Amino acid sequence: EIVMTQSPATLSVSPGERATLSCRASQSVSSNLAWYQQRPGQAPRLLIYGASTRATGIPARFSGSGSGTEFTLTISSLQSDDFAVYYCQHHSNWPWTFGQGTKVEIK
Amino acid sequence: QLQVQESGPGLVKPSETLSLTCTVSGGSISSSSYYWGWIRQPPGKGLEWIGSVFYSGSAYYNPSLNSRVTMSVDTSKNLFSLRLSSMTAADTAVYFCASVYGNTLFEYWGQGTLVTVSS
Repeated sequence: EIVMTQSPATLSVSPGERATLSCRASQSVSSNLAWYQQRPGQAPRLLIYGASTRATGIPARFSGSGSGTEFTLTISSLQSDDFAVYYCQHHSNWPWTFGQGTKVEIK
Repeated sequence: QLQVQESGPGLVKPSETLSLTCTVSGGSISSSSYYWGWIRQPPGKGLEWIGSVFYSGSAYYNPSLNSRVTMSVDTSKNLFSLRLSSMTAADTAVYFCASVYGNTLFEYWGQGTLVTVSS
């Protein structure tokens, strides 16, 4: 199975600043990478798929990039709703696996 | 818009079998665009894909759970189900159901249901 590794585990950012989250796959997943946001007590929400395509209704401040084994999620200007845990997930081949998550907290 | 909602017991005894149901609304479970999946999250931990099932009954399971998992679909009731046998404390988690678009993307999620394994 493909192992997904996210860094950092926790990211402290001030509102209005940029946040950059990383995800690495143990082998190439091409562009088959998704990002999810999970707020406390809620289910995850699909943000990005295909490494860089925003899901329906996702604000433009969220952007994804990368291919192969290295991927990045950027939140251009953090708003209060964005402080949450973010997970990457490859959608290349079974079994689907998730990273361990990056918590974005208020600095 | 599709909605999914989990239901089932919140407490299961060790060695017993967990049975959860996910009801689909706002669309047909027989859509060729979707698989239907289960994901779980132990308290304070990350996400683990359990398995996905198509309306025809074709299913894929996480190899780490494969021998213990069975998923099924009831098209007449627009719902799908999960059975996980030989439950232990390590299976204590919030269990989510979700629509799996294109068999790859977890698009619409239920709110999750906490299942605790304890005698």
